[in-house]
Amino acid sequence: TQLLEQSPQFLSIQEGENLTVYCNSSSVFSSLQWYRQEPGEGPVLLVTVVTGGEVKKLKRLTFQFGDARKDSSLHITAAQPGDTGLYLCAGRGSYNQGGKLIFGQGTELSVKP
Amino acid sequence: KAGVTQTPRYLIKTRGQQVTLSCSPISGHRSVSWYQQTPGQGLQFLFEYFSETQRNKGNFPGRFSGRQFSNSRSEMNVSTLELGDSALYLCASSFNGDTQYFGPGTRLTVL
Repeated sequence: TQLLEQSPQFLSIQEGENLTVYCNSSSVFSSLQWYRQEPGEGPVLLVTVVTGGEVKKLKRLTFQFGDARKDSSLHITAAQPGDTGLYLCAGRGSYNQGGKLIFGQGTELSVKP
Repeated sequence: KAGVTQTPRYLIKTRGQQVTLSCSPISGHRSVSWYQQTPGQGLQFLFEYFSETQRNKGNFPGRFSGRQFSNSRSEMNVSTLELGDSALYLCASSFNGDTQYFGPGTRLTVL
């Protein structure tokens, strides 16, 4: 069974600080996605990474896919209160897993002004 | 384009009852997936429907079932509700099963 482990589970920081969220697995994924979910809403896709070693930037957010396509990280520079939310990584499973989207447990981020 | 809509947004049921949740995908999307989200287990895949056929299934008991209509709208049914079924049920639509767009979810509380 393919699993994704996210760390940390909870993160509380002050506005302006930097942070990194990790998403790790022992399995290879064909692609990996990062979502952000706010209370009372469904997850919203931030980025999809496909190629090993790929780095994508979205304003103050930097996403990296590991060379072996088993892990990923999300780095936020100068966090703002508007970044508060639940961050989820999701990997596209292997063919014999039915190609399902497998989610990590999530990282609950709180950015205090 | 209108986003994914789910009805109802909130639902309270008692143990043993059954419930039906509805999802309307983004226009033109043929794939609808359902997920259960709980604080302890996170987001877990229930099943995916594509062009009215179940294409993928997660590891949930047979009490959880679904279907998709010719207009791509989907329903999910849970029979003989248990306390542990209390969760946020999310529906996601996509054109071909790749990039998924989530609805706001239905919050189900089982008393």
